[in-house]
Amino acid sequence: KAGVTQTPRYLIKTRGQQVTLSCSPISGHRSVSWYQQTPGQGLQFLFEYFSETQRNKGNFPGRFSGRQFSNSRSEMNVSTLELGDSALYLCASSLLGGSSYEQYFGPGTRLTVT
Amino acid sequence: GQQVMQIPQYQHVQEGEDFTTYCNSSTTLSNIQWYKQRPGGHPVFLIQLVKSGEVKKQKRLTFQFGEAKKNSSLHITATQTTDVGTYFCAGPDSGGSNYKLTFGKGTLLTVNP
Repeated sequence: KAGVTQTPRYLIKTRGQQVTLSCSPISGHRSVSWYQQTPGQGLQFLFEYFSETQRNKGNFPGRFSGRQFSNSRSEMNVSTLELGDSALYLCASSLLGGSSYEQYFGPGTRLTVT
Repeated sequence: GQQVMQIPQYQHVQEGEDFTTYCNSSTTLSNIQWYKQRPGGHPVFLIQLVKSGEVKKQKRLTFQFGEAKKNSSLHITATQTTDVGTYFCAGPDSGGSNYKLTFGKGTLLTVNP
């Protein structure tokens, strides 16, 4: 089975711009979670989607949004980028989601905001 | 909300020495997961513990879940350079949703050959 894929792998944006990141989960997995990873804060949960529905959201401002499509692929969007949004954005897919199932992480998208 | 604390933050060992990282939660956990992230890589699932007092082994790695299900540990015997990376524990959020994993900040292990 192919693993989780994320595109693009690297991105450089300017403050104020917006960005869309994409994640394709493992075939058959219906849950996709997004995380922001920074050296200072570690892995922080952004949101989780299952069957096109957001089931939970982390403590991030409304500039961070996401969606999931009927084929389980997911996108996350960050609007009005700030310098502090520079991070590695990881998505993880899981069979059914939730804490009872292991998560398979993608390679991440490295976002740099200048 | 629930916080998952990990100690130590960093650990440097000589190859062949043992290594242990500890994970503590402010609330009782229904289960706990452990992940490893190699430098420049992404987290990879290692194991999940569910039962109170559970001990699981994977070759040189031993995972324990505390009796009160509030703490966990990962012990590596006779470290090798391939063990280098950051080890994370993760537990379900206690805020009412089972769909959110809270990760500890991780322990970065470096091994001197």
